[in-house]
Amino acid sequence: DADVTQTPRNRITKTGKRIMLECSQTKGHDRMYWYRQDPGLGLRLIYYSFDVKDINKGEISDGYSVSRQAQAKFSLSLESAIPNQTALYFCATSGGGWETQYFGPGTRLLVL
Amino acid sequence: EDQVTQSPEALRLQEGESSSLNCSYTVSGLRGLFWYRQDPGKGPEFLFTLYSAGEEKEKERLKATLTKKESFLHITAPKPEDSATYLCAVQGGGGSNYKLTFGKGTLLTVNP
Repeated sequence: DADVTQTPRNRITKTGKRIMLECSQTKGHDRMYWYRQDPGLGLRLIYYSFDVKDINKGEISDGYSVSRQAQAKFSLSLESAIPNQTALYFCATSGGGWETQYFGPGTRLLVL
Repeated sequence: EDQVTQSPEALRLQEGESSSLNCSYTVSGLRGLFWYRQDPGKGPEFLFTLYSAGEEKEKERLKATLTKKESFLHITAPKPEDSATYLCAVQGGGGSNYKLTFGKGTLLTVNP
């Protein structure tokens, strides 16, 4: 089984809808991250969490919120989806500040 | 601000034709330089971490090297299955010990 899983893998939604993307990990890592990837822009950090009680904004957090339900679960919500949030979304985990980040398989989101 | 520039943007090789990908970076106190492989529609897959200038790491047909300003990913006698986008990222030590700054990647195509 994969160490980092994301659900759903694909999602189509309409402008204004609220949606949630979920991430689970079995690596036992404390740190979890949400990124989005857009063609020509690379990977950009949305939110990150060092533990259940520590959640921080990344470089592009506007329009997004997160919830760290447990050490192994980190969810990303789009409160009111808009078309320019169409992108690939990746969850990642790491064991510490200097350690490698491991990525999930991604969620492809289309906002109409 | 940390910056990563990868070149070329795209590279097309014949099977067996060796070449190198470049990752130039500026960072405040390099903590680590990471190479990932990404297949279309999938999450980045970790390849290597390099920590200091002069360090080298190898895995099958891939070899990563690091200087104070750049890293190279050398591909020896590539096969079609090496076709993917290769991402470079740096982690700096200035203030935020979590942040990975990614380049936009090099799309490698290996023709049989």
